[in-house]
Amino acid sequence: TQLLEQSPQFLSIQEGENLTVYCNSSSVFSSLQWYRQEPGEGPVLLVTVVTGGEVKKLKRLTFQFGDARKDSSLHITAAQPGDTGLYLCAGARGGFQKLVFGTGTRLLVSP
Amino acid sequence: DAGITQSPRYKITETGRQVTLMCHQTWSHSYMFWYRQDLGHGLRLIYYSAAADITDKGEVPDGYVVSRSKTENFPLTLESATRSQTSVYFCASCSGGVPGELFFGEGSRLTVL
Repeated sequence: TQLLEQSPQFLSIQEGENLTVYCNSSSVFSSLQWYRQEPGEGPVLLVTVVTGGEVKKLKRLTFQFGDARKDSSLHITAAQPGDTGLYLCAGARGGFQKLVFGTGTRLLVSP
Repeated sequence: DAGITQSPRYKITETGRQVTLMCHQTWSHSYMFWYRQDLGHGLRLIYYSAAADITDKGEVPDGYVVSRSKTENFPLTLESATRSQTSVYFCASCSGGVPGELFFGEGSRLTVL
């Protein structure tokens, strides 16, 4: 059973376009993280959100945690080829020791 | 350089053989984790450790054994490899906090024939 479902699974866009990636669950999480993974490497943390309704911005990336803490979204404005990678959301239920990862969204941004 | 390193990066083995994947971190992080990554499943937690000599099962522990005699090392052993254990394995560490930031190694790609 996959607790965190991400959509879309794959996204191929042109440089300059905007996009949104969704991370949904029927479970409540105490916090949620977003990681980006490039080929041949491990995931790297982008952001952590802990409060329902919280919005965080990281340059052209905007992260939102749902009011009920069951879902999250990642919006990229004016995507660049350097944004290419696998985006993973990860939810913590109580302690982080059993962080649950989403299924992933693979993004390709072409010049 | 400080960091988290995994070895080997690539391994091909046969069904029934024992395989050990090594993980070493230089940050003295208390927490260490082993995940496997498969298409359509994202990352799934196999085992984790809160400190030396303290380990606990994750989501998919069957067929795997871990130990942590030293804070910096967290080896993962497949006692009798099966084809279903073909995967990319990631080790991660964390200093703590709620939630903490996980620092991942580069992964070990294991193929079981």
